[in-house]
Parts: sequence; C-alpha cells; structure tokens
Amino acid sequence: AQRVTQPEKLLSVFKGAPVELKCNYSYSGSPELFWYVQYSRQRLQLLLRHISRESIKGFTADLNKGETSFHLKKPFAQEEDSAMYYCALNAGGWDNLFFGTGTRLTVIP
Amino acid sequence: EAGVVQSPRYKIIEKKQPVAFWCNPISGHNTLYWYLQNLGQGPELLIRYENEEAVDDSQLPKDRFSAERLKGVDSTLKIQPAELGDSAVYLCASAGGSSSGANVLTFGAGSRLTVL
Repeated sequence: AQRVTQPEKLLSVFKGAPVELKCNYSYSGSPELFWYVQYSRQRLQLLLRHISRESIKGFTADLNKGETSFHLKKPFAQEEDSAMYYCALNAGGWDNLFFGTGTRLTVIP
Repeated sequence: EAGVVQSPRYKIIEKKQPVAFWCNPISGHNTLYWYLQNLGQGPELLIRYENEEAVDDSQLPKDRFSAERLKGVDSTLKIQPAELGDSAVYLCASAGGSSSGANVLTFGAGSRLTVL
C-alpha cells in the first residue's frame, strides 16, 4: 500500500539557517512525488514536483529511490517560508495523490 | 482566473442535519477531487471524478456521504445525516489543464464544517 511519512510535525529554524523537511514514502512502483505548501490563510498549493527538478523559492527536493525519500531542502530559511508543508505521492498515472500528515515550519527572526 | 471555487467557506450545523458543499473547478480541468482534512492531518481522498464519472470512491463513506458531478463541471458533496466526527475541512481540487499537467492539483479554499 502507498504511504507517505513526514516524521516531524513541527520544525523551527532561525532565519538564515538551513532547513530540511523530511519525507519518506512506501510504494513498490515508480512514484511521482510532490511538495505542497499552505501559507497562513491561503489555500494549499503546489511547491514543486520531482520530475521538474526545479528550485522553487530556493527549495529543492531530490528523489532518492534507494532510501525512498524526498526531503525538501533550502540552504537559507526566510521568515516567509513559515508554513505547513505536505509531501505527496502519486502512485502512477492518474492514480490518487496520497498526502503525508504535514510539517509546520516556523522560521524564527 | 478565479481558481477552484468552493462554497460555503464555513458551515455550522447540529448533528443529524444534512449539509452540502459545492465546487466549481478550473475551466478545462476534467479531473475533480474531494478531499477530507481533519485537524492536524493531511488531506485524504474521498472521491475522484474524470469528467462526470466517479472513478474512485472507495474511501467515500457511502452510508451518509454522496457526491455528484452531473455535467462534468461543478460538483456537490453531501452528508446526510452529519455526525460529530464529520467536523473537518472539505477540500475540492481539480487537475488536467495543459498548463499545469495531469497530476498537478489546484485546490480550493476549502469548506470548514463544524457539527455540534
């Protein structure tokens, strides 16, 4: 069965410090991984997807199939990065998107 | 572009009452999703439509929940009768536009239900 695990419910870092939000998945096939973000009083929105291999707002995420991980990283956290972050797994094609429980990131000024 | 539109944004009802939520997806998006989000949890899929067809409703509690997307555009999610445990945010999302890609979901603002 497909599963997404985000082990940290809360994560606090100081402004300018590196940040890593962990995501591990369980899926036997070829997954498609996403990070969605929800800023305060805003709707859930796509941050990045692994197949794009982009850096969005300074964030990157690399799919590690050996470790079944898709950790989200940013070298220098900014206050505006404070939000709820959800890792999500699409188990192939038009299948459903499975979300993790989310990590609330707080960047301390 | 208004994005995915949901209404009502907030609804407070007493248990055993019915409630309905409405969603208008992004124009051209053939796939529509209803997700349930409990406090402190990630969204969980209730039902997925491809045009007017419900292609996955395995997680929809069919004894009290129903959904429809009659013309393949707007959708309605209904709960009858509501229970205390149904208090949550109900999210609608759509996908399938050429600009965003088939698997990229655009979410609405959600409908927050409180059952007293």
